[in-house]
This record gives sequence, structure tokens and C-alpha cells, in this order.
Amino acid sequence: DQQVKQNSPSLSVQEGRISILNCDYTNSMFDYFLWYKKYPAEGPTFLISISSIKDKNEDGRFTVFLNKSAKHLSLHIVPSQPGDSAVYFCAARKDSGAGSYQLTFGKGTKLSVIP
Amino acid sequence: DAGITQSPRHKVTETGTPVTLRCHQTENHRYMYWYRQDPGHGLRLIHYSYGVKDTDKGEVSDGYSVSRSKTEDFLLTLESATSSQTSVYFCAISGRQGSPLHFGNGTRLTVT
Repeated sequence: DQQVKQNSPSLSVQEGRISILNCDYTNSMFDYFLWYKKYPAEGPTFLISISSIKDKNEDGRFTVFLNKSAKHLSLHIVPSQPGDSAVYFCAARKDSGAGSYQLTFGKGTKLSVIP
Repeated sequence: DAGITQSPRHKVTETGTPVTLRCHQTENHRYMYWYRQDPGHGLRLIHYSYGVKDTDKGEVSDGYSVSRSKTEDFLLTLESATSSQTSVYFCAISGRQGSPLHFGNGTRLTVT
């Protein structure tokens, strides 16, 4: 049962326009949400996060929106740049005890920014 | 970049052989994780550690074991590799409760 879903495997956007990546989740126990970016042959790198008590978090060109009632979050990139071309993973966190937490990842969305 | 080194970076092995992947960190972080990435599945947690000799299972732990005898090293062992374990394996670390994970660059394992 997939608890974190990214229903769009790929997305193409013109340089300078907005990229919107979507993510849905099913588990109400998730308390924190993260976006990671991954380039080929590299590990995922942390991009931005949002707590479940907020509905928006902004960091430069990146903004994450959370709609708890709909169990939906989205990542907006404005303006999109060719260097943003990568696979983006949505992840959700729940407390696994002993002070650690587990991340559940979506399958990823491959973003291509066209110059 | 967080100081995480995974070794080897690439490995090809035969079905039935034991394989050990190593994750080494220089950050003195308490928490360490092993994930696998497969097409159509994203990243899935195999095992994690919340301190030396303290480990627990993730969602896809069958066929894998781990050990953490010192803070800086977290080993993932496939006792008898199978073709279904062909994957890219990522190690991740975090220092404080609630802080985002930092990932290594992965080990690509092929089981023939």
C-alpha cells in the first residue's frame, strides 16, 4: 500500500516558467514533509521541508504548500532553470521511536526544464 | 556535502554469494539508514540504526542484516544474494532528532 504518491512520473517546463510538482499521502500520522532532488549517479539532496502545522514554506525559488485536509502537498519552483532538471522525491516522516524517524518516499517525478 | 562514503560504488556478484556494503561517515551522527532505490518504487527503507549496536528493521528488511559496531560505520549484508536484490543502495545519516537525512552517493549492486 503506497502511502506517499507522486502520480506524475515526468514533467516538462520551459525555462523561466513555474514548475509544480504534486504529492499525495494517506497516513495521518505523518508530521513532517520533505522534498529531495536527485541527479543521476548521485544521492538525493534535501531541498525544502514543511511541518504539518504549517501550510506554506518558502526558500528562494522554492515554495512548498501543504493542504492537510486534502492530504496533498506541492512544490513550486519559480522561475524554473535548466539546472533544476532532476528527479524530485516527496517524502513524509513519522516517528519510529528511540528518537529516530522513518521517511516514506514517493516514486519520484522527473522534471525537465527546457532552455 | 555531509561526509558520507559508500563502498564499493559498483559491484557485480552471483546469486547465492554473500555481499557486504559499507557506509562510513565522518560527521559523528547518531542515526544511520540504508535505503534501496528501484524503478517504480522510489526509495524504501531497509534497516536503520539509532546508535552503536542499536538497529531496527525497515519496510523491506527480508534478506538483509546490518551491524553497527562503531558510530562511523554501518554495514549492510546480503547473506545470500538474489536477483531481486539488484538495486541501488543508499546510506543516509542524520544528527539530531527531526533533522533531514543526508545521503551518500549510492552503491549499484547487480546480482547475476
